[in-house]
Amino acid sequence: AQKITQTQPGMFVQEKEAVTLDCTYDTSDPSYGLFWYKQPSSGEMIFLIYQGSYDQQNATEGRYSLNFQKARKSANLVISASQLGDSAMYFCAMSVSGNTGKLIFGQGTTLQVKP
Amino acid sequence: GAGVSQSPSNKVTEKGKDVELRCDPISGHTALYWYRQSLGQGLEFLIYFQGNSAPDKSGLPSDRFSAERTGGSVSTLTIQRTQQEDSAVYLCASTETYLYNSPLHFGNGTRLTVT
Repeated sequence: AQKITQTQPGMFVQEKEAVTLDCTYDTSDPSYGLFWYKQPSSGEMIFLIYQGSYDQQNATEGRYSLNFQKARKSANLVISASQLGDSAMYFCAMSVSGNTGKLIFGQGTTLQVKP
Repeated sequence: GAGVSQSPSNKVTEKGKDVELRCDPISGHTALYWYRQSLGQGLEFLIYFQGNSAPDKSGLPSDRFSAERTGGSVSTLTIQRTQQEDSAVYLCASTETYLYNSPLHFGNGTRLTVT
């Protein structure tokens, strides 16, 4: 069975500092994708970054990077130079090749950025 | 271009009544998903549509829940005889393909409150 685990219910970070949000996953399928979404208090789900299981390089998108450690089955999100607008809930999600593109989500991590 | 549109944004209903939630996906997106998010929780998969294929209904929590997608575009999620535990935010998402590396684009959701 596929599973996503986010062990940090809540995190604090000082503005302008970097923060790492943890995500571990479990699947026996060799072809899968890992996603991070941001959900501000307004409720919309915003796609941040994607990492494919066969990608050799860690994904980066602006201030977001994904620390992909395949052997450890972890896909941690790193946010550099935190901003007040980064305060939100962050979800890690996985899709596997035989699963119709359906995403399996973790329970989320609430990030609060302190001024 | 226009994103995924959901209506209504908020719905309050009495226990036992039926409700219909609507989703208008991004034009050209062939795959459509419904998820449910209870307060402070992760997203729970409900149902998936892909083109003319039979929908994947594996996530529907009971036979009170049903969904249809007309003409490969607009989808309606129907909850019959609503219960208080149905209170949640119902999120619709669409994607260009059903492949595992295709990110889902979410609407802003319908917040359902059953009194």
